[in-house]
Amino acid sequence: GAGVSQSPSNKVTEKGKDVELRCDPISGHTALYWYRQSLGQGLEFLIYFQGNSAPDKSGLPSDRFSAERTGGSVSTLTIQRTQQEDSAVYLCASSGRGGSYEQYFGPGTRLTVT
Amino acid sequence: GQQVMQIPQYQHVQEGEDFTTYCNSSTTLSNIQWYKQRPGGHPVFLIQLVKSGEVKKQKRLTFQFGEAKKNSSLHITATQTTDVGTYFCAGRMARDSNYQLIWGAGTKLIIKP
Repeated sequence: GAGVSQSPSNKVTEKGKDVELRCDPISGHTALYWYRQSLGQGLEFLIYFQGNSAPDKSGLPSDRFSAERTGGSVSTLTIQRTQQEDSAVYLCASSGRGGSYEQYFGPGTRLTVT
Repeated sequence: GQQVMQIPQYQHVQEGEDFTTYCNSSTTLSNIQWYKQRPGGHPVFLIQLVKSGEVKKQKRLTFQFGEAKKNSSLHITATQTTDVGTYFCAGRMARDSNYQLIWGAGTKLIIKP
């Protein structure tokens, strides 16, 4: 079956511009996560959606970052007024439920802010 | 806040040598998962441990969950070039039924040429 997909795979943007990153989770998965990974570093948790519950936004680094999940499926991560320190790979993962189930990761979006 | 500490950050081994990475949590875990990320790739789920003292094997990989459910380890016997990558542990805190995973920083396995 189809896995988690993300688009675009690469995004180069100028400092100060807004970007939108998209994630299509595995069909039927109720949990969706966004992470950020800088080169050679670990995973930085950003936001977690679980079903119809209010999302856990505790990992968002600033108010320039926001995310939504429409219809319990597709999610969009938006970064406003991008900064050079936002350059990283943004990974999306989905799972059948919350922390008891393995997470399936998408290939990521590599964001470069020039 | 809750943390999962993972050591070492890097391990250089000769092909055929063993490799071990360790994770320690400040609080009791409900379960712990292990993932592998190949260079340039994304994390891929390896296994989940749930029971106190649990040991699971996958070919040359041995996973352990401590008796107190606060620590875990991954041991690879006789490493091969296909083992290269970064290994992450990720734990769920026992008191939170639906909480997201807390990730370790990862251990990078490097095979010496």
